[in-house]
Amino acid sequence: DAMVIQNPRYQVTQFGKPVTLSCSQTLNHNVMYWYQQKSSQAPKLLFHYYDKDFNNEADTPDNFQSRRPNTSFCFLDIRSPGLGDAAMYLCATSRVRTSYEQYFGPGTRLTVT
Amino acid sequence: KNQVEQSPQSLIILEGKNCTLQCNYTVSPFSNLRWYKQDTGRGPVSLTIMTFSENTKSNGRYTATLDADTKQSSLHITASQLSDSASYICVVSFTSGTYKYIFGTGTRLKVLA
Repeated sequence: DAMVIQNPRYQVTQFGKPVTLSCSQTLNHNVMYWYQQKSSQAPKLLFHYYDKDFNNEADTPDNFQSRRPNTSFCFLDIRSPGLGDAAMYLCATSRVRTSYEQYFGPGTRLTVT
Repeated sequence: KNQVEQSPQSLIILEGKNCTLQCNYTVSPFSNLRWYKQDTGRGPVSLTIMTFSENTKSNGRYTATLDADTKQSSLHITASQLSDSASYICVVSFTSGTYKYIFGTGTRLKVLA
């Protein structure tokens, strides 16, 4: 059974056209994370939510925003995608911030044309 | 500086052979260390998690070791299979005010028939 679900799996958007990626979870975890992973690189944390508390990483560009309307869903909004934003975007959850286990979704591959 | 380094960067082995992947870290204060398997185009999947007091943990053909004194971990894969072809990522967690995950850049393993 899928626990962390990401939609769509593949997304193509045009340069400068806003795009939203979706993540949902059936684990009822408190924390949801968004990572950006470029080819052959480690995932890079963009931000995370602890319940409704939003925590942005210092080097995350303003172009990236997030929303968490409820426990199950979290969205990544890219306001004006550039070619450099093409990457795999991974959503992950953990029960609490000190939890050992972090569960990842399958990722959304974003292409910017 | 908190860092996680993995070696080798890539590895090719024949099906049925064993291999060992290395992870060295300089993360402090250490909380736990995880190994993930990431298939191409997919999200990472947890293989093992070890805390400071654990020095070995197995998951089927995967055995992870941890030496907290030398800050080294290894992932040993026994009797490799074609399906083991993937990237293997070492992630070290620490707590400094908030909870952080430091990702290694991974070892890309290719198993050949």
